[in-house]
Amino acid sequence: DAGVIQSPRHEVTEMGQEVTLRCKPISGHDYLFWYRQTMMRGLELLIYFNNNVPIDDSGMPEDRFSAKMPNASFSTLKIQPSEPRDSAVYFCASSSRTGGRGYNEQFFGPGTRLTVL
Amino acid sequence: GESVGLHLPTLSVQEGDNSIINCAYSNSASDYFIWYKQESGKGPQFIIDIRSNMDKRQGQRVTVLLNKTVKHLSLQIAATQPGDSAVYFCAEQLAHTGTASKLTFGTGTRLQVTL
Repeated sequence: DAGVIQSPRHEVTEMGQEVTLRCKPISGHDYLFWYRQTMMRGLELLIYFNNNVPIDDSGMPEDRFSAKMPNASFSTLKIQPSEPRDSAVYFCASSSRTGGRGYNEQFFGPGTRLTVL
Repeated sequence: GESVGLHLPTLSVQEGDNSIINCAYSNSASDYFIWYKQESGKGPQFIIDIRSNMDKRQGQRVTVLLNKTVKHLSLQIAATQPGDSAVYFCAEQLAHTGTASKLTFGTGTRLQVTL
Protein backbone atom coordinates (compact mmCIF):
# COMPACT_ATOMS: atom_id res chain seq x y z
CA ASP A 1 0.00 0.00 0.00
CA ALA A 2 1.62 3.25 -1.16
CA GLY A 3 -0.31 5.47 1.22
CA VAL A 4 -1.45 8.96 0.34
CA ILE A 5 0.76 10.49 -2.34
CA GLN A 6 1.30 14.22 -2.67
CA SER A 7 3.21 16.21 -5.23
CA PRO A 8 5.28 18.22 -5.37
CA ARG A 9 6.98 17.78 -1.98
CA HIS A 10 8.39 21.28 -2.14
CA GLU A 11 7.26 24.27 -4.15
CA VAL A 12 8.85 27.69 -4.28
CA THR A 13 7.06 30.34 -6.28
CA GLU A 14 6.77 34.06 -6.58
CA MET A 15 3.86 36.15 -5.39
CA GLY A 16 1.10 36.30 -7.96
CA GLN A 17 1.86 32.96 -9.56
CA GLU A 18 -0.60 30.09 -9.72
CA VAL A 19 0.20 27.07 -7.58
CA THR A 20 -1.33 23.61 -7.96
CA LEU A 21 -0.90 20.93 -5.33
CA ARG A 22 -1.80 17.34 -6.10
CA CYS A 23 -2.99 14.40 -4.07
CA LYS A 24 -3.66 10.74 -4.74
CA PRO A 25 -5.66 9.16 -1.91
CA ILE A 26 -5.40 5.57 -0.76
CA SER A 27 -7.25 3.31 -3.16
CA GLY A 28 -10.75 2.55 -1.94
CA HIS A 29 -10.99 5.52 0.38
CA ASP A 30 -14.08 7.65 -0.15
CA TYR A 31 -13.12 10.71 1.90
CA LEU A 32 -10.38 13.19 1.03
CA PHE A 33 -9.24 16.09 3.19
CA TRP A 34 -6.98 19.08 2.55
CA TYR A 35 -5.22 20.67 5.54
CA ARG A 36 -2.85 23.57 5.97
CA GLN A 37 -0.25 23.71 8.74
CA THR A 38 1.49 26.86 9.93
CA MET A 39 3.20 27.81 13.15
CA MET A 40 0.66 30.57 13.63
CA ARG A 41 -2.54 28.58 13.18
CA GLY A 42 -1.53 24.95 13.60
CA LEU A 43 -3.29 22.30 11.53
CA GLU A 44 -6.41 23.63 9.83
CA LEU A 45 -8.92 21.77 7.72
CA LEU A 46 -9.50 23.59 4.44
CA ILE A 47 -11.99 21.36 2.65
CA TYR A 48 -13.09 17.77 2.46
CA PHE A 49 -14.74 15.58 -0.15
CA ASN A 50 -16.93 12.51 0.08
CA ASN A 51 -17.24 10.40 -3.05
CA ASN A 52 -15.60 13.21 -5.05
CA VAL A 53 -18.19 15.78 -3.91
CA PRO A 54 -17.08 18.75 -1.77
CA ILE A 55 -18.89 18.51 1.56
CA ASP A 56 -17.45 21.33 3.64
CA ASP A 57 -15.26 24.12 2.30
CA SER A 58 -15.76 26.49 5.22
CA GLY A 59 -12.04 26.37 5.98
CA MET A 60 -10.96 27.64 2.58
CA PRO A 61 -9.42 31.03 3.36
CA GLU A 62 -10.67 33.00 0.37
CA ASP A 63 -11.59 32.86 -3.27
CA ARG A 64 -7.98 32.53 -4.29
CA PHE A 65 -8.16 28.93 -3.08
CA SER A 66 -10.03 26.24 -4.97
CA ALA A 67 -10.07 22.45 -4.77
CA LYS A 68 -11.32 19.81 -7.15
CA MET A 69 -11.69 16.08 -7.15
CA PRO A 70 -12.41 14.95 -10.71
CA ASN A 71 -12.25 11.26 -9.79
CA ALA A 72 -11.73 8.96 -6.84
CA SER A 73 -7.99 8.80 -7.27
CA PHE A 74 -7.00 12.43 -7.75
CA SER A 75 -7.52 15.83 -6.17
CA THR A 76 -5.96 19.26 -6.63
CA LEU A 77 -5.71 22.33 -4.46
CA LYS A 78 -5.06 25.49 -6.44
CA ILE A 79 -4.02 28.93 -5.25
CA GLN A 80 -4.34 31.74 -7.75
CA PRO A 81 -2.81 34.25 -7.27
CA SER A 82 -0.49 33.09 -4.52
CA GLU A 83 0.65 35.42 -1.72
CA PRO A 84 3.51 35.17 0.81
CA ARG A 85 1.00 34.48 3.62
CA ASP A 86 0.02 31.26 1.84
CA SER A 87 3.41 29.81 2.72
CA ALA A 88 2.71 26.67 4.74
CA VAL A 89 2.77 22.91 4.60
CA TYR A 90 -0.30 21.53 2.89
CA PHE A 91 -1.42 18.01 3.77
CA CYS A 92 -3.83 15.73 2.05
CA ALA A 93 -5.48 12.91 4.00
CA SER A 94 -7.90 10.17 3.03
CA SER A 95 -10.19 7.85 4.93
CA SER A 96 -12.84 5.24 4.50
CA ARG A 97 -16.22 5.13 6.14
CA THR A 98 -15.93 1.36 6.15
CA GLY A 99 -12.48 1.35 7.71
CA GLY A 100 -13.54 -0.61 10.78
CA ARG A 101 -13.43 2.10 13.39
CA GLY A 102 -16.45 4.05 14.54
CA TYR A 103 -15.10 7.11 12.83
CA ASN A 104 -13.10 7.88 9.73
CA GLU A 105 -9.45 7.19 10.57
CA GLN A 106 -7.53 9.63 8.43
CA PHE A 107 -4.26 8.72 6.78
CA PHE A 108 -2.04 11.67 5.97
CA GLY A 109 0.29 12.20 3.07
CA PRO A 110 3.82 13.58 3.51
CA GLY A 111 2.73 17.12 2.72
CA THR A 112 3.78 19.82 0.27
CA ARG A 113 5.91 22.62 1.67
CA LEU A 114 4.93 25.80 -0.17
CA THR A 115 7.03 28.93 -0.07
CA VAL A 116 5.72 32.06 -1.75
CA LEU A 117 8.35 34.75 -2.15
CA GLY B 1 6.94 33.62 4.28
CA GLU B 2 5.28 32.47 7.45
CA SER B 3 4.79 34.87 10.34
CA VAL B 4 6.34 34.16 13.68
CA GLY B 5 3.53 32.65 15.70
CA LEU B 6 2.75 30.30 18.51
CA HIS B 7 5.57 28.36 20.08
CA LEU B 8 4.58 24.80 20.75
CA PRO B 9 4.76 23.72 24.39
CA THR B 10 7.74 21.44 24.77
CA LEU B 11 8.17 18.45 27.03
CA SER B 12 11.73 17.34 27.60
CA VAL B 13 12.13 13.80 28.89
CA GLN B 14 15.14 11.64 29.54
CA GLU B 15 15.39 8.40 27.61
CA GLY B 16 13.82 5.58 29.58
CA ASP B 17 11.52 7.82 31.59
CA ASN B 18 7.76 7.96 31.13
CA SER B 19 6.18 10.87 29.25
CA ILE B 20 2.78 12.41 29.82
CA ILE B 21 1.34 14.73 27.20
CA ASN B 22 -1.85 16.59 27.98
CA CYS B 23 -4.64 18.00 25.88
CA ALA B 24 -7.80 19.95 26.60
CA TYR B 25 -10.63 19.41 24.13
CA SER B 26 -13.55 21.66 23.41
CA ASN B 27 -16.55 19.70 22.19
CA SER B 28 -18.38 17.66 24.81
CA ALA B 29 -20.29 15.98 21.96
CA SER B 30 -17.17 14.47 20.41
CA ASP B 31 -17.36 10.71 20.22
CA TYR B 32 -13.77 9.83 19.49
CA PHE B 33 -10.45 11.23 20.56
CA ILE B 34 -7.31 10.42 18.68
CA TRP B 35 -3.62 11.00 19.26
CA TYR B 36 -1.36 11.67 16.31
CA LYS B 37 2.43 11.78 16.15
CA GLN B 38 4.15 14.05 13.63
CA GLU B 39 7.83 13.62 12.97
CA SER B 40 9.83 16.32 11.28
CA GLY B 41 9.05 16.54 7.58
CA LYS B 42 6.21 14.03 7.72
CA GLY B 43 2.45 14.03 8.02
CA PRO B 44 0.61 13.19 11.24
CA GLN B 45 0.49 9.49 12.00
CA PHE B 46 -2.17 7.71 14.06
CA ILE B 47 -1.03 6.43 17.46
CA ILE B 48 -4.08 5.48 19.49
CA ASP B 49 -7.71 6.42 19.90
CA ILE B 50 -10.35 6.24 22.59
CA ARG B 51 -14.10 6.36 22.44
CA SER B 52 -15.99 8.77 24.65
CA ASN B 53 -17.60 5.95 26.65
CA MET B 54 -14.19 4.79 27.85
CA ASP B 55 -11.78 6.41 30.28
CA LYS B 56 -8.63 4.44 29.52
CA ARG B 57 -7.15 2.55 26.64
CA GLN B 58 -3.76 0.91 26.34
CA GLY B 59 -1.61 0.18 23.36
CA GLN B 60 1.97 -0.83 22.95
CA ARG B 61 3.91 1.47 25.33
CA VAL B 62 1.14 4.06 25.11
CA THR B 63 -1.92 4.70 27.24
CA VAL B 64 -4.61 7.27 26.67
CA LEU B 65 -6.71 8.59 29.53
CA LEU B 66 -9.95 10.49 29.06
CA ASN B 67 -11.57 12.68 31.71
CA LYS B 68 -14.86 13.91 30.34
CA THR B 69 -15.70 15.87 33.48
CA VAL B 70 -12.94 18.37 32.78
CA LYS B 71 -12.63 17.67 29.04
CA HIS B 72 -9.07 16.47 29.37
CA LEU B 73 -7.12 13.89 27.46
CA SER B 74 -3.64 12.59 28.14
CA LEU B 75 -1.15 10.38 26.36
CA GLN B 76 1.31 8.41 28.42
CA ILE B 77 4.38 6.93 26.77
CA ALA B 78 6.25 4.35 28.78
CA ALA B 79 10.04 4.02 28.63
CA THR B 80 10.42 6.93 26.21
CA GLN B 81 12.86 6.34 23.37
CA PRO B 82 14.70 8.76 21.05
CA GLY B 83 12.36 7.69 18.25
CA ASP B 84 9.47 9.12 20.23
CA SER B 85 10.77 12.64 19.64
CA ALA B 86 8.06 14.37 17.62
CA VAL B 87 5.10 16.72 17.89
CA TYR B 88 2.00 15.08 19.34
CA PHE B 89 -1.50 16.25 18.53
CA CYS B 90 -4.80 15.31 20.04
CA ALA B 91 -7.84 15.39 17.79
CA GLU B 92 -11.55 14.98 18.35
CA GLN B 93 -14.24 13.76 16.02
CA LEU B 94 -17.89 13.05 15.95
CA ALA B 95 -18.81 9.51 14.98
CA HIS B 96 -20.42 8.77 11.67
CA THR B 97 -23.36 11.12 11.58
CA GLY B 98 -24.08 11.86 7.98
CA THR B 99 -21.31 14.07 6.75
CA ALA B 100 -19.81 14.96 10.14
CA SER B 101 -16.37 13.56 9.45
CA LYS B 102 -14.12 16.42 10.47
CA LEU B 103 -11.22 16.17 12.85
CA THR B 104 -10.50 19.11 15.11
CA PHE B 105 -6.84 19.21 16.08
CA GLY B 106 -5.26 20.66 19.19
CA THR B 107 -2.20 22.89 18.99
CA GLY B 108 0.31 20.13 19.65
CA THR B 109 3.12 19.41 22.10
CA ARG B 110 6.72 18.85 21.14
CA LEU B 111 8.36 15.92 22.90
CA GLN B 112 12.15 16.04 23.12
CA VAL B 113 13.90 12.93 24.33
CA THR B 114 17.32 13.51 25.82
CA LEU B 115 19.98 10.86 26.11
